[in-house]
Amino acid sequence: GQQVMQIPQYQHVQEGEDFTTYCNSSTTLSNIQWYKQRPGGHPVFLIQLVKSGEVKKQKRLTFQFGEAKKNSSLHITATQTTDVGTYFCAGRILTGGGNKLTFGTGTQLKVEL
Amino acid sequence: NAGVTQTPKFQVLKTGQSMTLQCAQDMNHEYMSWYRQDPGMGLRLIHYSVGAGITDQGEVPNGYNVSRSTTEDFPLRLLSAAPSQTSVYFCASSQSSGGHEQYFGPGTRLTVT
Repeated sequence: GQQVMQIPQYQHVQEGEDFTTYCNSSTTLSNIQWYKQRPGGHPVFLIQLVKSGEVKKQKRLTFQFGEAKKNSSLHITATQTTDVGTYFCAGRILTGGGNKLTFGTGTQLKVEL
Repeated sequence: NAGVTQTPKFQVLKTGQSMTLQCAQDMNHEYMSWYRQDPGMGLRLIHYSVGAGITDQGEVPNGYNVSRSTTEDFPLRLLSAAPSQTSVYFCASSQSSGGHEQYFGPGTRLTVT
């Protein structure tokens, strides 16, 4: 079954408010990626985190990878209408046959003016 | 570069019909994969390939076949369509199976009646 879970499933915010989505894995991940999917579009890569405790920033977006490499978060400061979409984490779980990327269930963000 | 292309964009099938979803990439990527996206389920891996001539099953492979005769193409075949296969299908490619971003195609929206 799904080994990478995300919460919340939906988030509705007013423009200017902050937003955070959390990603949790039942197993240790070798790395984690984040993708954004606009309504009606396809997932687009945002960033990859590899090291335990790693923090990366992209303008108003802050990505963190947990110390145990089992969880991650994406925080958006002062949301804008252009942030609307579904955010997915994708964890790379080492298996006997190689790496597989397992996507989380996604968090759908809606931003109201 | 066209990136990752998928055809068709939309398809309606009747139960029991077969069809092939086409996927091609022009980035000389070794790794290609197929996902299905259903509401609340995120992206689930159907099949993947680490190079020409090599394919393997993902999380939800039943009812689907794949082959990888060239680096560029990775078609997905539905042998006998069922209503449970109604979904949006995304093909993706990346430079390798480990630690590289995935590039997604625009998707195929499939309805099985």
